[in-house]
Amino acid sequence: SQQGEEDPQALSIQEGENATMNCSYKTSINNLQWYRQNSGRGLVHLILIRSNEREKHSGRLRVTLDTSKKSSSLLITASRAADTASYFCATDGSGYSTLTFGKGTMLLVSP
Amino acid sequence: DGGITQSPKYLFRKEGQNVTLSCEQNLNHDAMYWYRQDPGQGLRLIYYSQIVNDFQKGDIAEGYSVSREKKESFPLTVTSAQKNPTAFYLCASSGRLVMNTEAFFGQGTRLTVV
Repeated sequence: SQQGEEDPQALSIQEGENATMNCSYKTSINNLQWYRQNSGRGLVHLILIRSNEREKHSGRLRVTLDTSKKSSSLLITASRAADTASYFCATDGSGYSTLTFGKGTMLLVSP
Repeated sequence: DGGITQSPKYLFRKEGQNVTLSCEQNLNHDAMYWYRQDPGQGLRLIYYSQIVNDFQKGDIAEGYSVSREKKESFPLTVTSAQKNPTAFYLCASSGRLVMNTEAFFGQGTRLTVV
């Protein structure tokens, strides 16, 4: 079962532009995490936001969480070609002991 | 260096064969996970283990088996009962309550049926 759904499925922008990806989920969560995956590689953790937080920053990343709308967004500012990757949101899974991932947003940043 | 290692990177299986994918971590994590990734499908949970000698089925456990005899190791066997095993397999580890902490992923094993 997939809890989170990312939107859009794919996003193509130019270097220097901002990229915004959204994640919607169905049931109440404790925390929400965002991960990045370069093509053919493993996932790398980007940021964790707790259900009592509304916004969190890490470098060029800004994550927001709206628990009333059951949605989160990931903003990458001043994007670079190296940001080209797939981005996944992950929420609490069964018994809070697993992570459930969405299908991801594929981001392409062109030089 | 601390990390999680999957091997092999590429694996080819003939029809009817069982194959075992290796996953080792030296992060002293209690929990380990196996995910399957197909194009456009995201990650789907196969099995997970919170502690040595214990493991639980995920969403798509049929045709797979695991063992957790050591804290560091969580091998996945893809059996002949798995009808469509061609996929990218990812192993991960974390602290006991992954909802409160990040998960660390290996670099994946790409399995192809030939």
